[in-house]
Amino acid sequence: DTGVSQNPRHKITKRGQNVTFRCDPISEHNRLYWYRQTLGQGPEFLTYFQNEAQLEKSRLLSDRFSAERPKGSFSTLEIQRTEQGDSAMYLCASSVTSGSTEQFFGPGTRLTVL
Amino acid sequence: KNEVEQSPQNLTAQEGEFITINCSYSVGISALHWLQQHPGGGIVSLFMLSSGKKKHGRLIATINIQEKHSSLHITASHPRDSAVYICAVYPDKLIFGTGTRLQVFP
Repeated sequence: DTGVSQNPRHKITKRGQNVTFRCDPISEHNRLYWYRQTLGQGPEFLTYFQNEAQLEKSRLLSDRFSAERPKGSFSTLEIQRTEQGDSAMYLCASSVTSGSTEQFFGPGTRLTVL
Repeated sequence: KNEVEQSPQNLTAQEGEFITINCSYSVGISALHWLQQHPGGGIVSLFMLSSGKKKHGRLIATINIQEKHSSLHITASHPRDSAVYICAVYPDKLIFGTGTRLQVFP
């Protein structure tokens, strides 16, 4: 399977714990995006990378959130001191840099904070 | 006001019916996407268009740039079409609508 993959698919954690999600993009894609989707809503942009550089962060990304893409391939999204409001689906997508704006989405990681 | 508005929010249909989902946006865009999301979360890109009309099987997408409006049509709907359909526009990054939940009953 050469699509975008995300791990884990589901994560249940207690409030105050730290969690980390991983996204593996399509191998030739330079851009990697993170989105958050709450129930009944469309996805919301969190951040994106061009290769290893984090080019933009949404104001939704509080200081408890950090994303990395150290080698320009896979990316991690860490949430520290989780809160119940962090419960959501976290989606990753990747795309080529130029020309097309088409993004390919992973299956998402569903986070539940108890 | 959201930059991307979809209607209706929920839609039920009998198998075989013609379906239309509408999307209006308020920002300048370079492209508009129609996405399909099944229960469980996975999102699949259906169409990316910047003008005119595209067709893929029973799905047709149209866009009117001047009116900032797009429609997604499903002909001869089938229960497997049941999903959330999301419109997303690309000014400099994807901005998503809240989705239209479609249920097609046999």
